Amino acid sequence: GDSVTQMEGPVTLSEEAFLTINCTYTATGYPSLFWYVQYPGEGLQLLLKATKADDKGSNKGFEATYRKETTSFHLEKGSVQVSDSAVYFCALSDRDTDKLIFGTGTRLQVFP
Amino acid sequence: SQTIHQWPATLVQPVGSPLSLECTVEGTSNPNLYWYRQAAGRGLQLLFYSVGIGQISSEVPQNLSASRPQDRQFILSSKKLLLSDSGFYLCAWRPGQSLNEKLFFGSGTQLSVL
Repeated sequence: GDSVTQMEGPVTLSEEAFLTINCTYTATGYPSLFWYVQYPGEGLQLLLKATKADDKGSNKGFEATYRKETTSFHLEKGSVQVSDSAVYFCALSDRDTDKLIFGTGTRLQVFP
Repeated sequence: SQTIHQWPATLVQPVGSPLSLECTVEGTSNPNLYWYRQAAGRGLQLLFYSVGIGQISSEVPQNLSASRPQDRQFILSSKKLLLSDSGFYLCAWRPGQSLNEKLFFGSGTQLSVL
C-alpha cells in the first residue's frame, strides 16, 4: 500500500544553517505530495505542495521538488530561523482512493 | 466560510467503556472526511476516511469504527476502549474530488483511557 517515510528526528540546527528533511514515498499511481507543519501548541497547517513530477512547491523560504525517479520530496531551506522550530510532516494524496497518508513527522529544533 | 467542529476537546474514559467522538463540517457539501490519531513517535496515523455518506474506508484494523450518517458528520466509535486507544484524535476534511487540496483539521480530542 501507499506509504511515506521520513527521516527520524530531532534535527538540531543553529540559526542560519541549511536544512534538509528527507521524505520518500511509495505509491501505486502518481500521488500529490505535501509538507505540513505543526508549530508548538498549534494544529497542522499546509506548508507547501506539488501535484506532478518535477513540480517545485515553495513557501516561507522552504522548497521541495517532486522527484518521480527517486520517489522523493525532500524539504529544504537555505537559512533556518528559531521560529522554524516545529514538527514537519510529509504526506501523499492517493489519486485513486482519496486517502491522505502522513509520515511520522520530523521535529526540527533551531537554536540561536 | 467553511468550519469544522470536533468534540469533546478532552476525554477521560475507563478501560472497557464505549467511545463516541463527533465531527461536523459546515459551509460545504460532499466533503472527504478523515479521522487521524496522533501519537508521540508515530506521527499522524490515518484511521478512517470517507468520500460519501455511508462510505467508510478503514486503514488500520483495530478496536475502533467510524460512521458517516450525514453528509457533513463523521463519528468515531468504540464499543470497549483499550488502554492503547489513548491518544490525540484529529478529524479533517477537504473538498471532494479535489485531491490537490489541503486538509482542514479540527482542534482535536485528547483521549485518555485509564
